Amino acid sequence: AQKVTQAQTEISVVEKEDVTLDCVYETRDTTYYLFWYKQPPSGELVFLIRRNSFDEQNEISGRYSWNFQKSTSSFNFTITASQVVDSAVYFCALSEAFYGGSQGNLIFGKGTKLSVKP
Amino acid sequence: EAQVTQNPRYLITVTGKKLTVTCSQNMNHEYMSWYRQDPGLGLRQIYYSMNVEVTDKGDVPEGYKVSRKEKRNFPLILESPSPNQTSLYFCASSLRPQGGYTFGSGTRLTVV
Repeated sequence: AQKVTQAQTEISVVEKEDVTLDCVYETRDTTYYLFWYKQPPSGELVFLIRRNSFDEQNEISGRYSWNFQKSTSSFNFTITASQVVDSAVYFCALSEAFYGGSQGNLIFGKGTKLSVKP
Repeated sequence: EAQVTQNPRYLITVTGKKLTVTCSQNMNHEYMSWYRQDPGLGLRQIYYSMNVEVTDKGDVPEGYKVSRKEKRNFPLILESPSPNQTSLYFCASSLRPQGGYTFGSGTRLTVV
């Protein structure tokens, strides 16, 4: 069955520290898509990244980087030199191309609340 | 600006009083979905629509109805709200879900 696990419920760091948010997924599909969304205190959901199952290249965008490893079914998210504005709940999500495609469903993890203190 | 618009942002209602949360998107997206977010449970899909007049249940459809009469609109209807439907609701749209969803700003519903 498809499942996304974010084992870290809450993380607290001090500004300028690096922090990694873990995401482990389970899927029946060989083709699938992984996402990270950010939910700041204002409540909206902000899309951060999408990765398909055939592209295991790591990606860097400014202070954000993502490490996708199919061998361990993980899609971890690292924030380098964290800032107070990074404080938010971060969700990892999975979309299956075949089993979930017709339903248009994203399977979300339960989220990791990141607090960055000055 | 490309966006998904939900209304209202906040709503307090009483048990049993029918309500509708509206959702509209201006991106000509085929797919639309409703999710609810509850503490410790993440986001769960309520209903989805692949196109006009095509809707189906998600993971937690009980107590909800939807309709898709026009491509841009996908209202969520609670015929007889109950306190366990107190939640944060998100509408989302996508050309295809594998590309990721664009979410509305959310509707915080409290049923007393």
